[in-house]
Amino acid sequence: QVQLQESGPGLVKPSQTLSLTCTVSGGSISSGGYYWSWIRQHPGKGLEWIGYIYYSGSTYYNPSLKSRVTISVDTSKNQFSLKLSSVTAADTAVYYCARELIVGATYYFDYWGQGTLVTVSS
Amino acid sequence: EIVMTQSPATLSVSPGERATLSCRASQSVSSNLAWYQQKPGQAPRLLIYGASTRATGIPARFSGSGSGTEFTLTISSLQSEDFAVYYCQQSGTFGQGTKLEIK
Repeated sequence: QVQLQESGPGLVKPSQTLSLTCTVSGGSISSGGYYWSWIRQHPGKGLEWIGYIYYSGSTYYNPSLKSRVTISVDTSKNQFSLKLSSVTAADTAVYYCARELIVGATYYFDYWGQGTLVTVSS
Repeated sequence: EIVMTQSPATLSVSPGERATLSCRASQSVSSNLAWYQQKPGQAPRLLIYGASTRATGIPARFSGSGSGTEFTLTISSLQSEDFAVYYCQQSGTFGQGTKLEIK
């Protein structure tokens, strides 16, 4: 059973960089076939996909966040990470990591972390 | 960018009854659509992918249908644990959600 767990600071100051890590257990990121994503949910709102990374390091980001997002992978630790720069209060959200399967034009997220609330405030 | 629109925003249904949730895409997405269930304080859970294939462990009372731009999630006989928010998703875009509440 694949499990994902987010970790990182719950409070970030405005203009700083939000940094989160997702640790994967029960499966290897290096085995391929899956993409590793970050998704966020503003309080009381819907879901917003941030971007994904493949084990090889290739990435794809939501165009609306692309200028501020970096996703990286550390296969030796079976982890992938999110950095979001120049944060504002609008970046306050629950951040989820998830495993994404892409087959042709079919995309879906089959395993999710429990989510971590990140608040942007001075 | 494809926009996913869900309706209604809130649906009130009695336990044991059928619930029908809709999702519309702004352009054809073929059968490339997934549905998720989210309960308060929890991560979303995959229910349906490929428009109609149930994910592992999902009860048979959940079914998905549709293709192109119109999709439906049907819950045939609502159980207490089914009252939640439901999202449709295509590629990197989610619908805004439908809250299924007890009538």
